[in-house]
Amino acid sequence: RKEVEQDPGPFNVPEGATVAFNCTYSNSASQSFFWYRQDCRKEPKLLMSVYSSGNEDGRFTAQLNRASQYISLLIRDSKLSDSATYLCVVNKGGGADGLTFGKGTHLIIQP
Amino acid sequence: DAGVIQSPRHEVTEMGQEVTLRCKPISGHDYLFWYRQTMMRGLELLIYFNNNVPIDDSGMPEDRFSAKMPNASFSTLKIQPSEPRDSAVYFCASSDREWTETQYFGPGTRLLVL
Repeated sequence: RKEVEQDPGPFNVPEGATVAFNCTYSNSASQSFFWYRQDCRKEPKLLMSVYSSGNEDGRFTAQLNRASQYISLLIRDSKLSDSATYLCVVNKGGGADGLTFGKGTHLIIQP
Repeated sequence: DAGVIQSPRHEVTEMGQEVTLRCKPISGHDYLFWYRQTMMRGLELLIYFNNNVPIDDSGMPEDRFSAKMPNASFSTLKIQPSEPRDSAVYFCASSDREWTETQYFGPGTRLLVL
């Protein structure tokens, strides 16, 4: 099983719709979780951290399910500017160093 | 703040040549990371430094790769000799707290080895 696994997509979604995607991770010792966003030919940028209780930032909601070892990202009222690749990021945990990045889910918002 | 600065932004070289990538982290950040991104493998951590000291270089592919951080404001990643399979985007990132916190990425260097 891959350390961090994401559906690569692409997800083609009409503007204004709600879209959600998940990410699974293999290391149960992982403690920190993030969603990063990467625009085409640009660098990754932190979108939001994912907390155990779940968290919301405007139109974006992140959830963590430790029992099933997955995190999710929900985008409401999607905008054209949301088109990007969303990277799931997990720390290795258990005393090991490093962050593991998923390969990303490609989202395309269509007008 | 100018953010993380990387140079060059693009590099095209021939197999066997030496390639040096440069990075200037955000001032005050204690952690510096070098990543490589390809379509096949995604984003991979190559090496990271804390207070200019290499902490973990287990991600460095092989002896052809080396990284240095002579001071808090400058780091290099060198590939010698380069090979076509080294073609990728190389990102430098820095962080000001625990390495697990937000990392700020530079714009990357697109390397093509012919």
